[in-house]
Amino acid sequence: AQSVTQPDIHITVSEGASLELRCNYSYGATPYLFWYVQSPGQGLQLLLKYFSGDTLVQGIKGFEAEFKRSQSSFNLRKPSVHWSDAAEYFCAVAAVSGGYNKLIFGAGTRLAVHP
Amino acid sequence: GAGVSQSPSNKVTEKGKDVELRCDPISGHTALYWYRQSLGQGLEFLIYFQGNSAPDKSGLPSDRFSAERTGGSVSTLTIQRTQQEDSAVYLCASSLADLGGETQYFGPGTRLLVL
Repeated sequence: AQSVTQPDIHITVSEGASLELRCNYSYGATPYLFWYVQSPGQGLQLLLKYFSGDTLVQGIKGFEAEFKRSQSSFNLRKPSVHWSDAAEYFCAVAAVSGGYNKLIFGAGTRLAVHP
Repeated sequence: GAGVSQSPSNKVTEKGKDVELRCDPISGHTALYWYRQSLGQGLEFLIYFQGNSAPDKSGLPSDRFSAERTGGSVSTLTIQRTQQEDSAVYLCASSLADLGGETQYFGPGTRLLVL
């Protein structure tokens, strides 16, 4: 069965520091992978997605993620965190079945940013 | 352009009452999804619509839950005889098509509290 693991429930970083959020997936075929961000009281906003091709994917707000098939990982990175990045981050894999997809989400990582 | 909208944004109800949650997808999006976000279960898939039909209802937790979509647009999720464990944020998402890996755009959610 497909699954997504985000090992870190809560991460705190200082503003200006680099960030890496971990995501591991379990999926039988080449996965479609997504990172979403959720600010308090808001819906989910797509940061970036991986379908195929270049394993380093660029997203919005200065985020990037790298797909590593050998490690079944899709970690999210940002070189310099801003206070406005404080939010909850969800990694997801699309479980493709019958021509459509439903998203399987990880438990999320809550990011706090110290000034 | 307009994104996915959901109403009401908050709903407080008494145990045993029925509730209806509404989703207006992005215009022209043929695929529509409902997810539930709760403390104990995280983000979980409920149901998928392609047009007005629902090929996948596998995530609906019980027969108290039902959903419909009319005109290939608006969808309503109905919960009958609500229970306290139904308290959660109900998120709706739509996508342009139902191709594998197509980006899903999320609404702000309806926060349901069952007393």
